Amino acid sequence: GQQLNQSPQSMFIQEGEDVSMNCTSSSIFNTWLWYKQDPGEGPVLLIALYKAGELTSNGRLTAQFGITRKDSFLNISASIPSDVGIYFCAGQLRGSSNTGKLIFGQGTTLQVKP
Amino acid sequence: DVKVTQSSRYLVKRTGEKVFLECVQDMDHENMFWYRQDPGLGLRLIYFSYDVKMKEKGDIPEGYSVSREKKERFSLILESASTNQTSMYLCASSHSGGLGNTIYFGEGSWLTVV
Repeated sequence: GQQLNQSPQSMFIQEGEDVSMNCTSSSIFNTWLWYKQDPGEGPVLLIALYKAGELTSNGRLTAQFGITRKDSFLNISASIPSDVGIYFCAGQLRGSSNTGKLIFGQGTTLQVKP
Repeated sequence: DVKVTQSSRYLVKRTGEKVFLECVQDMDHENMFWYRQDPGLGLRLIYFSYDVKMKEKGDIPEGYSVSREKKERFSLILESASTNQTSMYLCASSHSGGLGNTIYFGEGSWLTVV
């Protein structure tokens, strides 16, 4: 099945540092979503993006829908220990809105050192 | 608040057993999904349903079946469990149609097949 290319696969950073991760694809998407998964739990939605070029913030998190519709990034500023987890990007391909089917990236595992 | 509930958080089953994983959502969503999550492989779609009694195969349907008799409930069935089906299973749901079909996840079911 098709997957998005998400990078980096993992990050180990110091508390207070900024974090950046991104997802790319050769396909065009009409929606980009970013999820966070805490250990042992299901993914929780962080940010949803619906328009090319859209830049959206949620507290210390900022995400953008790429102009080409083929990529998206997520930034976390001033990281704290509770930012630890796996971050997933997900995209909805153009033409798949009726089924709601999403394509997921493989995840970025973030560890924060206090 | 959006709610997707998976009936069992942790299960241990024997090889060859028939296993039922149940999922209920209270948001009147048309679409429901079953994913499995394995380290390094991200989220892989097993089956999805866009209406009652309707189902479509995802990327890895082999060894699984599903049932959607009511709109709010989507069941994943392992007809004869095998050790390679040991994994975390995630149920999800979303509205149908239009842009931005945000998917909401349950907390996950950890299945161990021995």
